[in-house]
Amino acid sequence: GAGVSQTPSNKVTEKGKYVELRCDPISGHTALYWYRQSLGQGPEFLIYFQGTGAADDSGLPNDRFFAVRPEGSVSTLKIQRTERGDSAVYLCASSLGTSGRIGETQYFGPGTRLLVL
Amino acid sequence: AQKITQTQPGMFVQEKEAVTLDCTYDTSDQSYGLFWYKQPSSGEMIFLIYQGSYDEQNATEGRYSLNFQKARKSANLVISASQLGDSAMYFCAMREGPGNQFYFGTGTSLTVIP
Repeated sequence: GAGVSQTPSNKVTEKGKYVELRCDPISGHTALYWYRQSLGQGPEFLIYFQGTGAADDSGLPNDRFFAVRPEGSVSTLKIQRTERGDSAVYLCASSLGTSGRIGETQYFGPGTRLLVL
Repeated sequence: AQKITQTQPGMFVQEKEAVTLDCTYDTSDQSYGLFWYKQPSSGEMIFLIYQGSYDEQNATEGRYSLNFQKARKSANLVISASQLGDSAMYFCAMREGPGNQFYFGTGTSLTVIP
C-alpha cells in the first residue's frame, strides 16, 4: 500500500503570494496532521484533523494559515500573503485515528519544501 | 520548558559499533508515549520504535532498542551494529495523555564511519 504522499515536493514563491500544499494520507487513516520543520529544528505541530474536522488547530502561527480536509481524506494547507519566514519543510502525517491510543504511530510523508523569496 | 531535549547535535560511530542517542523529556502526565524517528537526507520521517510510559520492558525493534529510565525521564535510543545506511538525523518525540500532537526534539545527526 502507498504511504503518505505530498505535492508539490518543492515550491518556490514570491513574498505576498498564496500557496496550497496537498497531502494524501494512507488509505483508511482518519487522523491527519500538519507539521512545519525549519532548518536545523524538529517538526512543530500546526493542525490535526479527525475525519473532516479540525480537532486541534492550536499550532497554526496566525490567520494567514488555514487547512481543510473536506472529504476526510486529502488535506490542503493554505498559506495567504506568504512571508520569507514561512520558508520551511511542511510535513504531513497520518494515523489510524483510534481514539485515546497513546501508542498510535504517525506516518509521515516526504514533505513539501517551501521557499518564499 | 522544552518537552523533548536532545543534547547531541552530532554523533559519529564506527561501522559495526553500537551508539546511544540521548533523549530526555518533560511531562507531568502519567500516560505518555515516546517515539524515535529517523530522517535521512531525503527528508521523510521514518518510524523506528515506540515506548509507552506504562511499559515495563524496554522496547526493541531489530537493531534498535530504547533505554527507558522513567525516574530520570530519559528515553535513549541504542543502535547496535551500526551500518552506513544508519547515517541520518534522529528525532525523539513524545505524545502526552489525551493529546494528539507529537512534540519533537531538535534531533541528532548521526554519521557512521566506514
